[in-house]
Amino acid sequence: QKEVEQNSGPLSVPEGAIASLNCTYSDRGSQSFFWYRQYSGKSPELIMSIYSNGDKEDGRFTAQLNKASQYVSLLIRDSQPSDSATYLCAVLIISNFGNEKLTFGTGTRLTIIP
Amino acid sequence: DVKVTQSSRYLVKRTGEKVFLECVQDMDHENMFWYRQDPGLGLRLIYFSYDVKMKEKGDIPEGYSVSREKKERFSLILESASTNQTSMYLCASSRTQGPEEQYFGPGTRLTVT
Repeated sequence: QKEVEQNSGPLSVPEGAIASLNCTYSDRGSQSFFWYRQYSGKSPELIMSIYSNGDKEDGRFTAQLNKASQYVSLLIRDSQPSDSATYLCAVLIISNFGNEKLTFGTGTRLTIIP
Repeated sequence: DVKVTQSSRYLVKRTGEKVFLECVQDMDHENMFWYRQDPGLGLRLIYFSYDVKMKEKGDIPEGYSVSREKKERFSLILESASTNQTSMYLCASSRTQGPEEQYFGPGTRLTVT
């Protein structure tokens, strides 16, 4: 089982609709979760971090965390063509050697259809 | 704003050459990281450093080494470049205390021929 899993997509969403991106993780002890956006040919850009169960909102973005289900999601409201990108889920995981390591999923490619 | 810079955006090297990739951050971050990113494999950690002159192996250190002589600079070295090291290389930095977010540089696309 991969430590951080995402559906690779592509996920196509009409402009103005809600895009929902999902991520599951294997380490029950994880406490820190991040969403990065990566445009084609560019480096990842941090858009959201979440540390507690529940929802965290920032503009059109909402991150949702459910530690019991080991599930974190990102909702994008009023989707715009500029939201078309690959979205990476990252989880801080305790490694076998006892140190923390930020572990990334392989990303979900999102396309917003005008 | 956090700024992480990398010495080259694109680099073409020949098999067997020694390659240096430089990364500099200007936010006094303690932690620095080197990743490579390949289609279908995602981001994979090569090496990281929590302090000057300190280094730790990541998930795929074979064929690479690193150097951190100053807090703001973290170098990745390919001792003898091979074609399977053709990839996008990304440097990142973060704080030890407080938020654990990592901030990435623009990346270096390395092609080994």
